[in-house]
Amino acid sequence: DVKVTQSSRYLVKRTGEKVFLECVQDMDHENMFWYRQDPGLGLRLIYFSYDVKMKEKGDIPEGYSVSREKKERFSLILESASTNQTSMYLCASKAPGQGTRVNEQYFGPGTRLTVT
Amino acid sequence: SQKIEQNSEALNIQEGKTATLTCNYTNYSPAYLQWYRQDPGRGPVFLLLIRENEKEKRKERLKVTFDTTLKQSLFHITASQPADSATYLCALLGGSYIPTFGRGTSLIVHP
Repeated sequence: DVKVTQSSRYLVKRTGEKVFLECVQDMDHENMFWYRQDPGLGLRLIYFSYDVKMKEKGDIPEGYSVSREKKERFSLILESASTNQTSMYLCASKAPGQGTRVNEQYFGPGTRLTVT
Repeated sequence: SQKIEQNSEALNIQEGKTATLTCNYTNYSPAYLQWYRQDPGRGPVFLLLIRENEKEKRKERLKVTFDTTLKQSLFHITASQPADSATYLCALLGGSYIPTFGRGTSLIVHP
């Protein structure tokens, strides 16, 4: 079974702190994603990565950066946390779609981040 | 802009009945549509994929339809059980294979 793990289930940080959220997948997937999920707003894509050292902005990249130094690990960085970044953060991975082959995303359990 | 609509109100049904959830979209021509299940405090789990040239897809008690003319997908759970209670998300994909998710609909199955 594919496993996607995230470093913390719950995290509390102070405004202005630098925050690292780590995600690891064990299926050798090329594609990895970071989402945030807020009530009434659904899942919103922050950043994604097609391969090591590759990154692409999603729909809401402002205030975030990412790092992908190894294929299995994708990190989300909040350079200076703010209260409006309090949210559930979900990491996902998937094998690349090729031709008509579309693969599902596998999600981690999520990190509930509170910024005070 | 692209818009995906799922009913924000929870769907309450009695055990044994068929649950039907709706996913409507505008300003989008997806090649694929996926449905995911999400339990509270957990990440979504993939359930089904349907392609634009498929009208219907089934998996055990689940059935998905995809009407590209109406720009709508229906997700059915037959013989529903309390364990089916969860939030169900639809996701649309184009050629980039990156899904855009709806906000989800909560299903509550009462025993």
